[in-house]
Amino acid sequence: NAGVTQTPKFRVLKTGQSMTLLCAQDMNHEYMYWYRQDPGMGLRLIHYSVGEGTTAKGEVPDGYNVSRLKKQNFLLGLESAAPSQTSVYFCASTSPAGWNTGELFFGEGSRLTVL
Amino acid sequence: AQKVTQAQTEISVVEKEDVTLDCVYETRDTTYYLFWYKQPPSGELVFLIRRNSFDEQNEISGRYSWNFQKSTSSFNFTITASQVVDSAVYFCALIQYNNNDMRFGAGTRLTVKP
Repeated sequence: NAGVTQTPKFRVLKTGQSMTLLCAQDMNHEYMYWYRQDPGMGLRLIHYSVGEGTTAKGEVPDGYNVSRLKKQNFLLGLESAAPSQTSVYFCASTSPAGWNTGELFFGEGSRLTVL
Repeated sequence: AQKVTQAQTEISVVEKEDVTLDCVYETRDTTYYLFWYKQPPSGELVFLIRRNSFDEQNEISGRYSWNFQKSTSSFNFTITASQVVDSAVYFCALIQYNNNDMRFGAGTRLTVKP
């Protein structure tokens, strides 16, 4: 059971470089989320999607772009990485009914360092 | 917009002590869901419990219990007879029914010493 898979798990970038984080889920979930986790700040929502072809901004969207071209994939892009984007990124997914069961399924996290 | 506050940044207890983790939330919606997640040192996020705004019954699951009080906008989590394996960061989270935007608190790091 793959669940939610994030690629890559680790990445080191130089300031100004671009990269894309891929989140893939095999549970046919409609909703997908990207969070970043920083010490003392918990998880902060970057962007989310409630269905294929739709995205919405979360709490800290600046400097990031997302796309949901396929239902199972949610991509997070950094066009010009900055040291402030050094963080651990988590992807998560659920279904509308998931709010009744309560579970948001998380990936294992991707650690990004921007030098 | 909704907000979750976990005022306790770190808590340290000795094994077998009881410990309560506080969570205070803000929302303008009358329909919402509250959650607790655990993040052990290995880094993954583990779902513990979910509560909807219409269900104020307290819940007990083994050594874990949750106290939901709408009057004080709080959803506190108590671990009874703590164990070393309970050492983790615990997050409280809130989602409003109409916007699918799930917000987390800053987390409380619990250390249980033997």
